[in-house]
Amino acid sequence: DVKVTQSSRYLVKRTGEKVFLECVQDMDHENMFWYRQDPGLGLRLIYFSYDVKMKEKGDIPEGYSVSREKKERFSLILESASTNQTSMYLCASSLESGYTFGSGTRLTVV
Amino acid sequence: GENVEQHPSTLSVQEGDSAVIKCTYSDSASNYFPWYKQELGKRPQLIIDIRSNVGEKKDQRIAVTLNKTAKHFSLHITETQPEDSAVYFCAASRAGGGNKLTFGTGTQLKVEL
Repeated sequence: DVKVTQSSRYLVKRTGEKVFLECVQDMDHENMFWYRQDPGLGLRLIYFSYDVKMKEKGDIPEGYSVSREKKERFSLILESASTNQTSMYLCASSLESGYTFGSGTRLTVV
Repeated sequence: GENVEQHPSTLSVQEGDSAVIKCTYSDSASNYFPWYKQELGKRPQLIIDIRSNVGEKKDQRIAVTLNKTAKHFSLHITETQPEDSAVYFCAASRAGGGNKLTFGTGTQLKVEL
């Protein structure tokens, strides 16, 4: 089974902090994605990457950046955390079509 | 870009009844339509998917139908059981472009005893 691991299950950060969310997959997948999940809004795409050092903006990239230095690792960066970024963050990877998701990181910004 | 609408947002059925969740999409170039199930506190998991060259696909008690002309697809669960209670998400993507999925807003299915 493909494993997608997110480094933290829960995080509490202060407004203005720089926050790093890490995601690692172990199956050599080319495509990796970051979504945020909010009640009533479903899963919204923040950024995705289809190759090392490549990144593409999703539907809601504002306030976020990403880094993909190695194929297996895709990091989401909140440059200056704000309370409206409190959410569940889900990382996913895929080879051709269906995603495998990580367990998610519930981030609270206070 | 793609827009996926999903209905209903909540669905309550009696055990043994059928449940149907419907989605519409806007991008006629979309050709891949997966469904994910997310149990409380867990990650979304792929339960079934369909490609645009097929009109229907079935896997035991679940089935998905696709109407390309109308741009809508549906999830059908028969003989529902309490363990089917979860949030279900539909999604759509087109080939290429990193295979990014656009998700619907989810349906909370509750199967009552």
